[in-house]
Amino acid sequence: GQQLNQSPQSMFIQEGEDVSMNCTSSSIFNTWLWYKQDPGEGPVLLIALYKAGELTSNGRLTAQFGITRKDSFLNISASIPSDVGIYFCAGQLGFSGTYKYIFGTGTRLKVLA
Amino acid sequence: DSGVTQTPKHLITATGQRVTLRCSPRSGDLSVYWYQQSLDQGLQFLIQYYNGEERAKGNILERFSAQQFPDLHSELNLSSLELGDSALYFCASSGLLANEQFFGPGTRLTVL
Repeated sequence: GQQLNQSPQSMFIQEGEDVSMNCTSSSIFNTWLWYKQDPGEGPVLLIALYKAGELTSNGRLTAQFGITRKDSFLNISASIPSDVGIYFCAGQLGFSGTYKYIFGTGTRLKVLA
Repeated sequence: DSGVTQTPKHLITATGQRVTLRCSPRSGDLSVYWYQQSLDQGLQFLIQYYNGEERAKGNILERFSAQQFPDLHSELNLSSLELGDSALYFCASSGLLANEQFFGPGTRLTVL
């Protein structure tokens, strides 16, 4: 199946550090979504982006919809131990009746206290 | 707790068999989505139903089918199971904002 290029694949950081991850694709997306998944649970939506260039924050999280509509990034500021988990980007392709979601391969984040 | 429930939590079966996974959406949500998460393929969107009708289709195999009932719960049927179908299957639901989906805890399917 299709997947988005998400990087980095994993990262270890110190508590308090800022984190940045991104997703790129050769396809143009209508919507970008960022999820966090904890072990044994389903993904939880963090941020949804609907317009090219849009910059949206949710607490310590900030995400942007790339101008080309082919990429997006997520920043986490001042990381804390509970930020540990896998972060996925997802893009929506197409329109009602024909659309689908494509997911990134995930960024596994580990925070060292 | 997202409000989306899935049963069973775990399912172990043999190749060639057929199983049914069940999902109850959050109260008031009309849309249900099914996803498959495996180690090699990652998260894959399978299909969406809205108020009983199929709305969008992703990478769903012909051996798989789904439906949404009048009470809005949904079932995903997987038949002629293969080893590669072993995965976590998630259901999600949404209200008016289709992209703001709430995921259930998943069903872990193991095909032996």
